[in-house]
Amino acid sequence: GEDVEQSLFLSVREGDSSVINCTYTDSSSTYLYWYKQEPGAGLQLLTYIFSNMDMKQDQRLTVLLNKKDKHLSLRIADTQTGDSAIYFCAENNFNKFYFGSGTKLNVKP
Amino acid sequence: NAGVTQTPKFQVLKTGQSMTLQCAQDMNHEYMSWYRQDPGMGLRLIHYSVGAGITDQGEVPNGYNVSRSTTEDFPLRLLSAAPSQTSVYFCASSYFAKSSEDEQFFGPGTRLTVL
Repeated sequence: GEDVEQSLFLSVREGDSSVINCTYTDSSSTYLYWYKQEPGAGLQLLTYIFSNMDMKQDQRLTVLLNKKDKHLSLRIADTQTGDSAIYFCAENNFNKFYFGSGTKLNVKP
Repeated sequence: NAGVTQTPKFQVLKTGQSMTLQCAQDMNHEYMSWYRQDPGMGLRLIHYSVGAGITDQGEVPNGYNVSRSTTEDFPLRLLSAAPSQTSVYFCASSYFAKSSEDEQFFGPGTRLTVL
């Protein structure tokens, strides 16, 4: 299968920016995604980026894609305690979705 | 719309038992899939379906069967449960994965323990 990697933990203070990083292996993936999972719940799509884009901004979220290095990042501006969750990046390759292991974001008040 | 529903929410099995995890969606989605989530490993695709009557294997299909007789339902069968199948199972659906700015909608999950 594909290899999607993320760091496991990130801790920030409320009001700071959070940057969650992801590397992937399949350069033919058309779309790359960020999902959020709150405790005891399923995953919820936060945002996605088409592979021919470098950047996408959606309110407090900024996605950066470096296709040459196969590196994807999610920046959350003005991080709030409600942003505490696990964040997954994922790629879609011919009907199969491959997820990273998830980054647990802890936001301290 | 109820979205994606899964039953049961929790299940404990003994090694060797069989059971079926139910998944249903009421959004007329063509694409449905099953994942397992294990600590530190993210979600791994077990099986998926691109429409009624069509199923295919994902990353970790061994020990699981699926069928898709209707658009709405996509049950996952454990043939002979093993402790290695202890996990949280998620069902998801979307209109069609290939045009995938389409969002995958996830069910609430089934927590399975195999003793």
